[in-house]
Amino acid sequence: DTGVSQNPRHKITKRGQNVTFRCDPISEHNRLYWYRQTLGQGPEFLTYFQNEAQLEKSRLLSDRFSAERPKGSFSTLEIQRTEQGDSAMYLCASSSGRLAGEYVRLFFGEGSRLTVL
Amino acid sequence: SQQGEEDPQALSIQEGENATMNCSYKTSINNLQWYRQNSGRGLVHLILIRSNEREKHSGRLRVTLDTSKKSSSLLITASRAADTASYFCATVPRENSGGSNYKLTFGKGTLLTVNP
Repeated sequence: DTGVSQNPRHKITKRGQNVTFRCDPISEHNRLYWYRQTLGQGPEFLTYFQNEAQLEKSRLLSDRFSAERPKGSFSTLEIQRTEQGDSAMYLCASSSGRLAGEYVRLFFGEGSRLTVL
Repeated sequence: SQQGEEDPQALSIQEGENATMNCSYKTSINNLQWYRQNSGRGLVHLILIRSNEREKHSGRLRVTLDTSKKSSSLLITASRAADTASYFCATVPRENSGGSNYKLTFGKGTLLTVNP
């Protein structure tokens, strides 16, 4: 399978614990995105990487959230001191974008569902 | 913040009927895309329409775009039970319109239920 892979698919944790999600994008894609989705809502943008550079972070991403893409390949999203309000589906997406004028089309993983008790 | 707003929020139809979903957005766009999401799964890209296009077809899908009204519609013809899913519009802002042209902003979606 050469699609976007996310792990773990489900995570249940207690409030105050740290959690980390991993995303493996499609191998030739240089753009990587994290979105958060709560029940009944559309995905909300969290952060964007072009290769290893984190080019944009949403104001939704408090200082408890950190994302990395150390070698421009896989990415991790860590949430420290989780709160019940962090319960959501965390979606990773990747896209190519090497050509000038190329339209961004996202390929999503299946998501990592976080439940904070 | 969410740029697009889909209408209706939920739609229930019988198999074989057509389904129409609408999307309104606020800022100037480079292109608009529609995605589909089955319950508990990731999103799948359906179709992209550029800002200088007015209509586009792909199989049973027909998308229209009216930039003067900042709105788009997605029509699914001859619906099937397997079309049951949530459908989202997503916009990419036009360069120099104050947005990031690499970032898609999604609406809240329309939940489509197709009854067999």
